[in-house]
Amino acid sequence: DTEVTQTPKHLVMGMTNKKSLKCEQHMGHRAMYWYKQKAKKPPELMFVYSYEKLSINESVPSRFSPECPNSSLLNLHLHALQPEDSALYLCASSQDGDRGQETQYFGPGTRLLVL
Amino acid sequence: DAKTTQPNSMESNEEEPVHLPCNHSTISGTDYIHWYRQLPSQGPEYVIHGLTSNVNNRMASLAIAEDRKSSTLILHRATLRDAAVYYCILRESTTSGTYKYIFGTGTRLKVLA
Repeated sequence: DTEVTQTPKHLVMGMTNKKSLKCEQHMGHRAMYWYKQKAKKPPELMFVYSYEKLSINESVPSRFSPECPNSSLLNLHLHALQPEDSALYLCASSQDGDRGQETQYFGPGTRLLVL
Repeated sequence: DAKTTQPNSMESNEEEPVHLPCNHSTISGTDYIHWYRQLPSQGPEYVIHGLTSNVNNRMASLAIAEDRKSSTLILHRATLRDAAVYYCILRESTTSGTYKYIFGTGTRLKVLA
């Protein structure tokens, strides 16, 4: 099974709402990633977890709060978002994140619209 | 962060070879070069990667310049299913010991029947 699943597929939320995005993989990977992708732009890295510990935070605003409850699951908690946060949010995983040649497996993404 | 530059778009006829270029003049000696593609409404999909030597797999070939400042992804016979955005990516090490992908701007490949 080389699949990364993400739920929900689509999400519409108001600026005062709290919502969460979920990502799951069962490949035994120990590194997991959140990316943000605006229309017609490449994905931009937001967070990296390695062995359930936050390894990289690319200066993401605090209204985005990642969580890695276990090695298979990654959440992104959203609170008080702005309309400019509307984007496709991609999750990815890799073996352990510590080797330059290892590849990442991406999920299909959650398309978020903030009204 | 090192940067990659790619043409915005390219066209190819079906069954013809396609050469997708990428410049990465500020690449460091330990950065791997990865290529992914993204079909509409999907997440990026791995194509190929390399460090110094040319690489082949069932999907494509990767030709890396001797000075590593550029690379070319080669699709030997383009099909309509190869129409996608192709990203050239550098995989860089960080101070935390974790690696991260630096995506290029991507090349939108159109395949003509």
